Amino acid sequence: DVKVTQSSRYLVKRTGEKVFLECVQDMDHENMFWYRQDPGLGLRLIYFSYDVKMKEKGDIPEGYSVSREKKERFSLILESASTSQTSMYLCASSPQHRSYEQYFGPGTRLTVT
Amino acid sequence: QKEVEQDPGPLSVPEGAIVSLNCTYSNSAFQYFMWYRQYSRKGPELLMYTYSSGNKEDGRFTAQVDKSSKYISLFIRDSQPSDSATYLCALCLSGGYNKLIFGAGTRLAVHP
Repeated sequence: DVKVTQSSRYLVKRTGEKVFLECVQDMDHENMFWYRQDPGLGLRLIYFSYDVKMKEKGDIPEGYSVSREKKERFSLILESASTSQTSMYLCASSPQHRSYEQYFGPGTRLTVT
Repeated sequence: QKEVEQDPGPLSVPEGAIVSLNCTYSNSAFQYFMWYRQYSRKGPELLMYTYSSGNKEDGRFTAQVDKSSKYISLFIRDSQPSDSATYLCALCLSGGYNKLIFGAGTRLAVHP
C-alpha cells in the first residue's frame, strides 16, 4: 500500500513563527505536491516537485517555500506564519508521468493565532 | 470563470439511491478526468480516472466524460452509508508533470 505520512495532524503556531511541515512517501514516487484545502475553495496547489532538489510554483506560492533534499521527503516552510495561512495542508505524491494518480497524506490542520 | 465548477451540495439521499455527481469545466485541452473521495478528517483518495471521453465502470461506480459538453459525472448505484464523503472532481492536461485542477467538492450523505 502507498503510504504518505505527514509529521503532525494538528499544529498551533503564533503569528510570525517559522513553521515546518514534513511529508514522507514510501513508494519511490518522483512527484510530490503540497496543497492547502479551505472550505468552498477546494484544493489549491502551493508547490510541487518532480525530482530531488527540483521545485515548481503552484497557484498560491506566496508566503511559502519548499525543500526536497531526498526523494521520499518534501517539506513545506512557512517563513513567517500569518493568520491567513490557517488551513488544512495536504501532501501528495504520484509516479512519474502519472500526475493524475495522486496519493494523499492525512493532512495537517494548522492554526495560526 | 473558474476552470472547473462543482456544486458543493450537501446532497442527502436514502440508502440504495442512485447518486449523480457532476462537474463542468472550461478548458477543452484537459485529457484526464478523475474522481477523488475524501472522508472526514482524511486525505482524498483516487476513486477513478478516465482518459479522454467515454465511460468507465468499477463496481457500483461509473465515471462519464462528455468532452463536447465539457461535463463529467460520477454515478453511484445502490448507495451505502459508507459512501458518505466529499467527492472531488479533478482534471489534468496530461499524465506528465502537469498539475491537477480540483473542483470544490460535493458533500454526500447517504442515510440508512
